[in-house]
Amino acid sequence: NAGVTQTPKFQVLKTGQSMTLQCAQDMNHNSMYWYRQDPGMGLRLIYYSASEGTTDKGEVPNGYNVSRLNKREFSLRLESAAPSQTSVYFCASTRDSAPPDTQYFGPGTRLTVL
Amino acid sequence: QKEVEQNSGPLSVPEGAIASLNCTYSDRGSQSFFWYRQYSGKSPELIMSIYSNGDKEDGRFTAQLNKASQYVSLLIRDSQPSDSATYLCAVNPSGGYNKLIFGAGTRLAVHP
Repeated sequence: NAGVTQTPKFQVLKTGQSMTLQCAQDMNHNSMYWYRQDPGMGLRLIYYSASEGTTDKGEVPNGYNVSRLNKREFSLRLESAAPSQTSVYFCASTRDSAPPDTQYFGPGTRLTVL
Repeated sequence: QKEVEQNSGPLSVPEGAIASLNCTYSDRGSQSFFWYRQYSGKSPELIMSIYSNGDKEDGRFTAQLNKASQYVSLLIRDSQPSDSATYLCAVNPSGGYNKLIFGAGTRLAVHP
């Protein structure tokens, strides 16, 4: 099993450009999450999906959209990138959203917006 | 605003010593608590989870939870240089549906 995979690993964008971060898991998990990690601020939840076909906002959703394409895949889209979105983005998945369950993280995407 | 607080460190301990990492949280209704380890440039990996007051031991790691004081800690016995990493405390707040709130992390440095 590959676990949670993310593409790309690195990306540089110019302000105003758009891009989609891809995430896939092969563990048959129901719930998937997108976090961003900034220096000194820990991980902050952007969006999550408790099951296929459902998505909900987390702590910092502004400037992002998500799609739960199927049970395996959960993508994060930046429609018009801003320098404030420079961060490391992690996707995670868990078997269930309730009760609390172990979250497994992907390797991350390091995004720089110039 | 639900918060999780950790001392950013670095916490420096000699090899073989006990490292003690602490975390406080603001949501009194929180029910589950996690410690993740994150090496530089890598993704977080779960070390311990704890749900009840008291201690939970797993090898060299012990998690301690005190809900009355809203305090959770991680003890690492016989610290090794390979334990040098950032340790993230995460809390599942009341009604959170596993929408974890993470602390900023404590950087641990174990020196030979």
